[in-house]
Amino acid sequence: DAGVTQSPTHLIKTRGQQVTLRCSPKSGHDTVSWYQQALGQGPQFIFQYYEEEERQRGNFPDRFSGHQFPNYSSELNVNALLLGDSALYLCASIQPRRASGANVLTFGAGSRLTVL
Amino acid sequence: GIQVEQSPPDLILQEGANSTLRCNFSDSVNNLQWFHQNPWGQLINLFYIPSGTKQNGRLSATTVATERYSLLYISSSQTTDSGVYFCAVHAYQLIWGAGTKLIIKP
Repeated sequence: DAGVTQSPTHLIKTRGQQVTLRCSPKSGHDTVSWYQQALGQGPQFIFQYYEEEERQRGNFPDRFSGHQFPNYSSELNVNALLLGDSALYLCASIQPRRASGANVLTFGAGSRLTVL
Repeated sequence: GIQVEQSPPDLILQEGANSTLRCNFSDSVNNLQWFHQNPWGQLINLFYIPSGTKQNGRLSATTVATERYSLLYISSSQTTDSGVYFCAVHAYQLIWGAGTKLIIKP
């Protein structure tokens, strides 16, 4: 049973560029959340997608956008990259809401973005 | 908003030692989870524990929701237990503590 897979694992961009990160949720999971984790800090919630719509959003600017596809996979896009966007970007999937009230997350290994 | 504080921020122990990690939260929450992040960045869910006590091998956790804290116990530590331990509480979204960095020396 494949867990959450993310790509790419590492990437380097320069200021002002745009980046797209990809996430495939765990089999049977239909909800995807994205988190940003700066070095030495806990993850910060970016947004959550369910039924191809953004359902919740954290305190991130509009430069951060996302998408969920019919197969539940998701993309995170960041425009006009800043040095401060350098971080580990984590994707987590959640089992179907009807199955359980518990929001137990399964995380991918992350995509480490460096902005120069 | 809800504040989540973890202590201690850093902990260095010898292999075989026991440890207790604490998580305090400032308001009522729907649930609480403990995670372990290994040195390569992979986050693993350890416990979903809104209240009560759970055990999984050498790890156990207790949440006292009325007093707004949770404890993670690690017994007979092994070097593979090294990493950062996070607690996260669920209000309308997961809110994370800053973590406890645990180093187990052989």
